[in-house]
Amino acid sequence: SQQGEEDPQALSIQEGENATMNCSYKTSINNLQWYRQNSGRGLVHLILIRSNEREKHSGRLRVTLDTSKKSSSLLITASRAADTASYFCATDEGGANSKLTFGKGITLSVRP
Amino acid sequence: GAVVSQHPSWVICKSGTSVKIECRSLDFQATTMFWYRQFPKQSLMLMATSNEGSKATYEQGVEKDKFLINHASLTLSTLTVTSAHPEDSSFYICSARYLWEKLFFGSGTQLSVL
Repeated sequence: SQQGEEDPQALSIQEGENATMNCSYKTSINNLQWYRQNSGRGLVHLILIRSNEREKHSGRLRVTLDTSKKSSSLLITASRAADTASYFCATDEGGANSKLTFGKGITLSVRP
Repeated sequence: GAVVSQHPSWVICKSGTSVKIECRSLDFQATTMFWYRQFPKQSLMLMATSNEGSKATYEQGVEKDKFLINHASLTLSTLTVTSAHPEDSSFYICSARYLWEKLFFGSGTQLSVL
């Protein structure tokens, strides 16, 4: 079943601008992860934020997590044309048999 | 980082035939692998969890006899689509859990059943 819901569904920006993508979820989580997918390819792990963390950075990526609102945001700063891809949030409820549940994804287009 | 190899990248087959997709973790041992199915412009739908040395755990609505999963070693899981039909055409992706949290994905297999 779908857990994460990203918004917007599609985002088009100019190179150099920042891109902000949001994800909401429904249940308690152990961690939340963001992945990127280029068309017709597998997913690439971008960043993981645990439920006891509020913000995390990795290069041009900044992720926030608000467990009270059950939401997360992914910010890509100074976007590049190569950032064009689909981005998915995925939630992990934890536990011995935990599995990731993916949202529907956001299509980001960065115009050169 | 961890590498997961999946092949074939694409396969075209006739209706009624079976297709096997392999997923290998190249530089780490994966006790758990996951198989997903993805339709165009949609999210990944988990089909089953593959555990080394035991039976796979299938998600609700996924036919066990249709999608056979074998995880015979710590580095290899296979998905066999048996008696494939056009409605089985899809993008299939495997992933392996690394260090208990992150997933590393194969590059996917595009299956087209004629």
